Amino acid sequence: NAGVTQTPKFQVLKTGQSMTLQCAQDMNHEYMSWYRQDPGMGLRLIHYSVGAGITDQGEVPNGYNVSRSTTEDFPLRLLSAAPSQTSVYFCASRTGQVNYGYTFGSGTRLTVV
Amino acid sequence: GENVEQHPSTLSVQEGDSAVIKCTYSDSASNYFPWYKQELGKRPQLIIDIRSNVGEKKDQRIAVTLNKTAKHFSLHITETQPEDSAVYFCAASITGFQKLVFGTGTRLLVSP
Repeated sequence: NAGVTQTPKFQVLKTGQSMTLQCAQDMNHEYMSWYRQDPGMGLRLIHYSVGAGITDQGEVPNGYNVSRSTTEDFPLRLLSAAPSQTSVYFCASRTGQVNYGYTFGSGTRLTVV
Repeated sequence: GENVEQHPSTLSVQEGDSAVIKCTYSDSASNYFPWYKQELGKRPQLIIDIRSNVGEKKDQRIAVTLNKTAKHFSLHITETQPEDSAVYFCAASITGFQKLVFGTGTRLLVSP
């Protein structure tokens, strides 16, 4: 099992550019989420999915889109990058069984200049 | 929605001492409380969790306690070691809901 795989690990974007952060898991987990981590602010939920074809917004969804066409993949799209989106992004997944912890990917460090 | 507050933001202890990190939550419906450890430049990793039908859980040198009446839960690390140095996050969620809400983290520094 590779677990949760995120690509790329590092990315620099110019303001206004778009890009997709990739996330894939091979554990057949139903639930997947995207978090951003900023200094002093913990982990904030961007979007989440409870299964293929089902997504919903978290705490900070503006400027991001997601889709879940398969159980394995949950890409995060930045529509028009802004410096405020400079952050470390983590994808996480867990089984749909009640009350189990998330497994996190290794993260993508994004800088928007 | 749920709000989780975590204290202290930084904690420095000597090797061998105990460390306690406290979190409070706002939604009385929350019933699952995990703790994550994040080493510098690494991903958060689950170290222990507790469910609302349990008041305390231990795993070797770490333990978590839950007070549902006061809506707070705590992480206890005994006999701290330098490798315990990391950022620790608490979180809370409600059964049947996907959202896991995190605290803002505690940076623990264990000095030899």
